[in-house]
Amino acid sequence: AQSVTQLGSHVSVSEGALVLLRCNYSSSVPPYLFWYVQYPNQGLQLLLKYTSAATLVKGINGFEAEFKKSETSFHLTKPSAHMSDAAEYFCAVSDRDTDKLIFGTGTRLQVFP
Amino acid sequence: DAGVIQSPRHEVTEMGQEVTLRCKPISGHNSLFWYRQTMMRGLELLIYFNNNVPIDDSGMPEDRFSAKMPNASFSTLKIQPSEPRDSAVYFCASSNRDRGRGYTFGSGTRLTVV
Repeated sequence: AQSVTQLGSHVSVSEGALVLLRCNYSSSVPPYLFWYVQYPNQGLQLLLKYTSAATLVKGINGFEAEFKKSETSFHLTKPSAHMSDAAEYFCAVSDRDTDKLIFGTGTRLQVFP
Repeated sequence: DAGVIQSPRHEVTEMGQEVTLRCKPISGHNSLFWYRQTMMRGLELLIYFNNNVPIDDSGMPEDRFSAKMPNASFSTLKIQPSEPRDSAVYFCASSNRDRGRGYTFGSGTRLTVV
């Protein structure tokens, strides 16, 4: 069965610092991978997705993620954190044969001034 | 495009009552998903439809939960009878697997069962 594991339920960074949110996937076939962001009391917004094109994927708000098959990872990064990045971030996986989108447990990002 | 539309945004009901949540997917999307989000269990996939047909309902917690998709533009999730442990935010999402899988989520329905 497919799954994703997000390491660290909480991550805190200073404004301007590098953001690194970790995600590892488990899939028997090449997966589709996604990062979503959820602001308080709102729905989920797609940040970026990997669907087997370029392994380095650029998303909205300056975020990017790199698909590394050898490490089964899809970590999310942003060079310089902004206060407005404070939110919960979810990694998700979908296989190529079905539409099921399975989420990780989420990482809450705090940004300090 | 209005996005995925869910109603109501908030629902407060008494234990034992029937609750119906509604979802209108994005036009042209052929897959629809119902998720439940709680602090304890995170985001759980309850059921998903493809071309209006239920494909996988293994996440539906028990027989009190049922979902329908009578046509491509409407789906309902019903809980009967409702219980306090059903309190959660319920999200609907839609996608088109033939167009790059842009899963789009609605704003959710916050359900409180008292």
